[in-house]
Amino acid sequence: SQKIEQNSEALNIQEGKTATLTCNYTNYSPAYLQWYRQDPGRGPVFLLLIRENEKEKRKERLKVTFDTTLKQSLFHITASQPADSATYLCALDSSGAGNNRKLIWGLGTSLAVNP
Amino acid sequence: NAGVTQTPKFRILKIGQSMTLQCTQDMNHNYMYWYRQDPGMGLKLIYYSVGAGITDKGEVPNGYNVSRSTTEDFPLRLELAAPSQTSVYFCASSSPSGGAGTQYFGPGTRLLVL
Repeated sequence: SQKIEQNSEALNIQEGKTATLTCNYTNYSPAYLQWYRQDPGRGPVFLLLIRENEKEKRKERLKVTFDTTLKQSLFHITASQPADSATYLCALDSSGAGNNRKLIWGLGTSLAVNP
Repeated sequence: NAGVTQTPKFRILKIGQSMTLQCTQDMNHNYMYWYRQDPGMGLKLIYYSVGAGITDKGEVPNGYNVSRSTTEDFPLRLELAAPSQTSVYFCASSSPSGGAGTQYFGPGTRLLVL
């Protein structure tokens, strides 16, 4: 069955460092992959989307890579700030064809940026 | 735009009671979703809809019902509340044209069944 894995352990880093979160998937080939941020008690908020034919995507201090051979995406936050502390979720389209609007969600990785 | 709104924010139900969780979006999105999120369990899809009058089951539909009479509204009905339905419920919607289904979430409804 389709499976997504994210770092289960919380990630603690020092302010100003780069945070790197991992999303691995098995048993299918998604057309795109998305990253969301979720703060406690709130709904997830979309951050970035990367397609299967894109190796890297950037938005301000955020960078996402997508390696379809390794079946892995890396999510980087550079010059991290305490305000970046949250849970980050990885999500992939369930069909693999890019035309199915249902997403499969990882459990998320909790990031804590210490001042 | 208000985006996706959900009511109520919090509710306590007794076993066997029923209730409707309301969800409204003002972005003219065709696709709408209901998820539940339990601690450490991630988002589980309950039901989804691809447009007014069309709904389909997700991973965990048992104990729930939905309807979609308008583009804007997608209520979730719990008929006989059970303790296993204690959770946080999120409604989401996604863009109708092109794109890759980026989802916009509401603030959630926290439900406690005792």
